Amino acid sequence: DVQLVESGGGLVQPGGSLRLSCVASGFTFSNYYMSWVRQAPGKGLEWVANIKEDGSAQFYVDSVKGRFTISRDNAKNSLSLQMKYLGAEDTAMYYCGRLIKGDGSYDIWGQGALVTVSA
Amino acid sequence: DIQMTQSPSTLSASVGDRVTITCRASQSINNWLAWYQQKPGKAPKLLIYKASTLQSGVPSRFSGSGSGTEFTLTISCLQPDDFATYYCQQYNSYSIYTFGQGTKLEIK
Repeated sequence: DVQLVESGGGLVQPGGSLRLSCVASGFTFSNYYMSWVRQAPGKGLEWVANIKEDGSAQFYVDSVKGRFTISRDNAKNSLSLQMKYLGAEDTAMYYCGRLIKGDGSYDIWGQGALVTVSA
Repeated sequence: DIQMTQSPSTLSASVGDRVTITCRASQSINNWLAWYQQKPGKAPKLLIYKASTLQSGVPSRFSGSGSGTEFTLTISCLQPDDFATYYCQQYNSYSIYTFGQGTKLEIK
């Protein structure tokens, strides 16, 4: 089965750091753009970052630029999101998503990893 | 940045109704628009991409239309499983994506 499984979520203090991981299975991971999307409790979806198939280009929403880093290890079928200087506004469910080839929509989503920033 | 405005924010309807949700972009996005359905506690599910292409496995009662700045998602005959929140997403370039604020479809 085609699947994405996130891990690494948890409770972190304001100003702290956290690293999320997403492991892919059932498809050729290196052939796909990948992305992170988040959803604050009770709120809508917010795109966070994209990374090209070979990792050569990354794109971020303005609110996380300089604090978050998206990366991938194609040998391990793994996507990561390193988050630093976390604030309460970063509290959300974080989903990894696979983009349809040649398109920008997400056909596969993980189950999500909850990040809570609180003292 | 491109802003996406969905309307209505909440929609009350009955099983068997035909409903339409609208998404407007602040500038032209050609047909680079997707629609998702999300149920509480679950990840979103892709319904439509490229404004009008039905994702594999999605029932044909869902349809999308539009181009440029105005888009619609239509559900032709509401089923009990369709009551959920719907989001549009623009992806005019790989560098910045935006979602609409969502439309909650409730049972009347």
